[in-house]
Amino acid sequence: EDQVTQSPEALRLQEGESSSLNCSYTVSGLRGLFWYRQDPGKGPEFLFTLYSAGEEKEKERLKATLTKKESFLHITAPKPEDSATYLCAVQALAGTYKYIFGTGTRLKVLA
Amino acid sequence: DAGVTQSPTHLIKTRGQQVTLRCSPKSGHDTVSWYQQALGQGPQFIFQYYEEEERQRGNFPDRFSGHQFPNYSSELNVNALLLGDSALYLCASSLAGREGNTIYFGEGSWLTVV
Repeated sequence: EDQVTQSPEALRLQEGESSSLNCSYTVSGLRGLFWYRQDPGKGPEFLFTLYSAGEEKEKERLKATLTKKESFLHITAPKPEDSATYLCAVQALAGTYKYIFGTGTRLKVLA
Repeated sequence: DAGVTQSPTHLIKTRGQQVTLRCSPKSGHDTVSWYQQALGQGPQFIFQYYEEEERQRGNFPDRFSGHQFPNYSSELNVNALLLGDSALYLCASSLAGREGNTIYFGEGSWLTVV
């Protein structure tokens, strides 16, 4: 069964303290892996799409990487405004349009 | 560039009632998906509409139904509401065959069933 597991569930960082969030996945052929940011009470905001192992994408203080079994979201020198829940999702290759989401990592960056 | 818009933003319904949620996709998009997000959980796929047809359905009962209109907007209907239907309902849009199937979400509709 296709599934996504994110760790840790929650993470507290001091401002400027870099860290990584993990997304492990099991899927019958990967069409794409997606990262979203979700603020409390809001809809998820798209960050990155990754398609194949070895691919990397960057945006400001965020960098997403992909291997055959997991993805990492690296946060460099985070600021309090980076506090949010980060969601990972996968879409399988074979005849499906749905995204399968993990339960997210709640990130809190302290000033 | 208009993003995905949803209405209403918040609503409260009584058990057994019916509810209709509405969604307008991002400009240029033709595909709409609906997701349910319970508190502390990731979004769960309900169904996807393309060319006014339900293209795929998740593990939700028939009480959940939808519709897509010729202008690509969509509705989600839930009948015989249960307390467990209380959640954030998210609409997401995409362009079929483009942009790597990336979906873009609206701000959601918060449904509380009492």
